[in-house]
Amino acid sequence: GQNIDQPTEMTATEGAIVQINCTYQTSGFNGLFWYQQHAGEAPTFLSYNVLDGLEEKGRFSSFLSRSKGYSYLLLKELQMKDSASYLCVASGGSYIPTFGRGTSLIVHP
Amino acid sequence: DGGITQSPKYLFRKEGQNVTLSCEQNLNHDAMYWYRQDPGQGLRLIYYSQIVNDFQKGDIAEGYSVSREKKESFPLTVTSAQKNPTAFYLCASSIMPGQPGNTIYFGEGSWLTVV
Repeated sequence: GQNIDQPTEMTATEGAIVQINCTYQTSGFNGLFWYQQHAGEAPTFLSYNVLDGLEEKGRFSSFLSRSKGYSYLLLKELQMKDSASYLCVASGGSYIPTFGRGTSLIVHP
Repeated sequence: DGGITQSPKYLFRKEGQNVTLSCEQNLNHDAMYWYRQDPGQGLRLIYYSQIVNDFQKGDIAEGYSVSREKKESFPLTVTSAQKNPTAFYLCASSIMPGQPGNTIYFGEGSWLTVV
């Protein structure tokens, strides 16, 4: 089976850095995705990791450790518009992604 | 512009009625998916299709039906057998199932409310 675990909610200050952690268990592994979802909207793709290490894309970076079943999303220079839910998604042996419940990030001034 | 179009955006259903949510994509993607999201919850897979004329049940298929007669289209019918259908429904697609980096892209979603 598949299991995704990430914190339910986090808060941070505008301009700060926040790290959202995710642990996963899958039958087989074919990649780890992060999506951003604003309330009432569809998720949008942020990042994809299949090899160990850090992938940087502007203010957002994503890290993967396959041996630990662990990933994190790092958001730098936080802006108010970054307030959203962040979904950790694992792709297992079937290649059908399994979505976690998401971490609701609240950025305050 | 390429994308995934869902309609309607908002739909009200009376108890005992079947309703169909439309999903069309012009991305030339092989795979299409339907997810359901309840408030404060994650996405749960209803059905998916990896090729025309074939589809598979997801985790919560009971009370739903789909068809995949064309590559571009994957409509979802919410039947009267679905006892609690009020939710946000998301259609998605991806290039080729079974490929690493098979990123899923979403339509804008459809809100279904039972009245």
